Amino acid sequence: AQSVTQPDIHITVSEGASLELRCNYSYGATPYLFWYVQSPGQGLQLLLKYFSGDTLVQGIKGFEAEFKRSQSSFNLRKPSVHWSDAAEYFCAVSSGYSTLTFGKGTMLLVSP
Amino acid sequence: GAVVSQHPSRVICKSGTSVKIECRSLDFQATTMFWYRQFPKQSLMLMATSNEGSKATYEQGVEKDKFLINHASLTLSTLTVTSAHPEDSSFYICSATGDTNTEAFFGQGTRLTVV
Repeated sequence: AQSVTQPDIHITVSEGASLELRCNYSYGATPYLFWYVQSPGQGLQLLLKYFSGDTLVQGIKGFEAEFKRSQSSFNLRKPSVHWSDAAEYFCAVSSGYSTLTFGKGTMLLVSP
Repeated sequence: GAVVSQHPSRVICKSGTSVKIECRSLDFQATTMFWYRQFPKQSLMLMATSNEGSKATYEQGVEKDKFLINHASLTLSTLTVTSAHPEDSSFYICSATGDTNTEAFFGQGTRLTVV
């Protein structure tokens, strides 16, 4: 069965500092990987996805993620965090048409 | 990207009543729709998967008689919480995928409060 681990429940970053959110997955084949962001009381917005090809994926809002097969990781990065980035971030894995399996999420707090 | 609209965004109902939540794909045909439930400060847990014209497939532990799912058309799926109780209070989110798309598009979610 596929699973996703986001080891950090909360992360606090100063505005303007760089960010890296960790995600590790367990899946038997080549996974489809996603990062979503959720603001309080809102649905999910897709930041970026990896299906195949270049392992460094660019997304919206200045986010990027790198797929590392050897480490079973798909960490999300942003070079300079803005206060509006404060939200909850979910990493997810799927085998394509099948359902998404989500990690427990990482809450990002941005300090002034 | 494609748009999925979920309605209502918030609903408060009395214990023992039923509530229907709609999930519509506005600009694509959604052959498969998913219903998730999210408890406070937790991740999304898949409740069921529905394919247009077929019975929904429920995840283990989800009561199919309590959470009725209908996917009668390629643009609409509904989740009905029957005889709702306070413990059913939660955030419910739908998502949808089309034939040639491996990406799931999410609705805005519905906050259900049972009093």
